[in-house]
Amino acid sequence: KQEVTQIPAALSVPEGENLVLNCSFTDSAIYNLQWFRQDPGKGLTSLLLIQSSQREQTSGRLNASLDKSSGRSTLYIAASQPGDSATYLCAVRGGSEKLVFGKGTKLTVNP
Amino acid sequence: EAQVTQNPRYLITVTGKKLTVTCSQNMNHEYMSWYRQDPGLGLRQIYYSMNVEVTDKGDVPEGYKVSRKEKRNFPLILESPSPNQTSLYFCASTRLKTGVHQETQYFGPGTRLLVL
Repeated sequence: KQEVTQIPAALSVPEGENLVLNCSFTDSAIYNLQWFRQDPGKGLTSLLLIQSSQREQTSGRLNASLDKSSGRSTLYIAASQPGDSATYLCAVRGGSEKLVFGKGTKLTVNP
Repeated sequence: EAQVTQNPRYLITVTGKKLTVTCSQNMNHEYMSWYRQDPGLGLRQIYYSMNVEVTDKGDVPEGYKVSRKEKRNFPLILESPSPNQTSLYFCASTRLKTGVHQETQYFGPGTRLLVL
């Protein structure tokens, strides 16, 4: 059974800092991995989708990497801003299109 | 605008009173799914549908029903809600593609349900 772990559970950084969020998964037989952002009480916004054949994806200040063989992904956020404060969720897609989610990393960027 | 909509957004009800949460997408997606999100447990899949009239159980289907009579709609039905179904519910959809490259899943804004 696929399990997804995100470390750390919470992270507080000063504005401007570069940071890395980690995601690990137990079964490397995945189709893709997605990073989502969730603001308090709100829905999920897809940030980056990495196909199983890809190593990384970039969007603006965000860069996500995937090492399928070791079961790891990282989300790198450059020059963090207070508006980046949110919970970041990692999810892997296996069979049946089902997404298996980690429990998230709550990020606080302090002005 | 491509979107997944859910209604209602907030609902307070009492134990045993049947309710339906609607989900609709305007992207002609084949796949639709329901998740619930609980503190400390994360998001878990309840039911999913690969196309019209095709539904299947996810990880936590007990106490829920779904139907897929039309491609755009995928309602979640709680026949006899109980307090342990108090949660934040999300509907999601995506296009089904063969091969390696898949598309992102789009999520609705969520429905916060409180069962007293």
